[in-house]
Amino acid sequence: DSGVTQTPKHLITATGQRVTLRCSPRSGDLSVYWYQQSLDQGLQFLIQYYNGEERAKGNILERFSAQQFPDLHSELNLSSLELGDSALYFCASSVGGRGRGSPLHFGNGTRLTVT
Amino acid sequence: GQQVMQIPQYQHVQEGEDFTTYCNSSTTLSNIQWYKQRPGGHPVFLIQLVKSGEVKKQKRLTFQFGEAKKNSSLHITATQTTDVGTYFCAGIKAAGNKLTFGGGTRVLVKP
Repeated sequence: DSGVTQTPKHLITATGQRVTLRCSPRSGDLSVYWYQQSLDQGLQFLIQYYNGEERAKGNILERFSAQQFPDLHSELNLSSLELGDSALYFCASSVGGRGRGSPLHFGNGTRLTVT
Repeated sequence: GQQVMQIPQYQHVQEGEDFTTYCNSSTTLSNIQWYKQRPGGHPVFLIQLVKSGEVKKQKRLTFQFGEAKKNSSLHITATQTTDVGTYFCAGIKAAGNKLTFGGGTRVLVKP
């Protein structure tokens, strides 16, 4: 158990809809990262927050947004969903904000299916 | 932008044999991390290398960081069925702050 909690585990929705994925980081971790993993693909970095502020941005679409709240949990909002958004979305957390010496601890992921 | 490439993409290994997977960066890295993702699971941190030429061992796994800090390798000896999964390397560009993952090497073990 990594200590990172993601909900829901599975999500099935229709094209054009909007969903929210939630992540609670490990106790004591200040950074939260979001990654997208399509079937049998690598990990595409979306965005990182550190102590409530956006720290780094990756290949995140304009239809996607995220935030980290004062209690350090994070939400990833996906809107105007398309079939191609179907993927496994991982949240990870780390102690530090710059990655050096801070291993990432991944949650179990949310599997999103857009029909 | 920074790119991290892993080869091979797929590795079919006979149980008991050794194999090596490689990670190459287009830029010099400050450190490199390795993760393992079992089928249906999430990536799990294995190890981090920081120094040029560093070598670290974890039982049958040997990790190495290149002298120029632009490449890394993972060598597994006497492969077991428990080694099945995808191995990812991830690096941070020197003076950077974004961890970039390679595409992973998917390892399949033939009993």
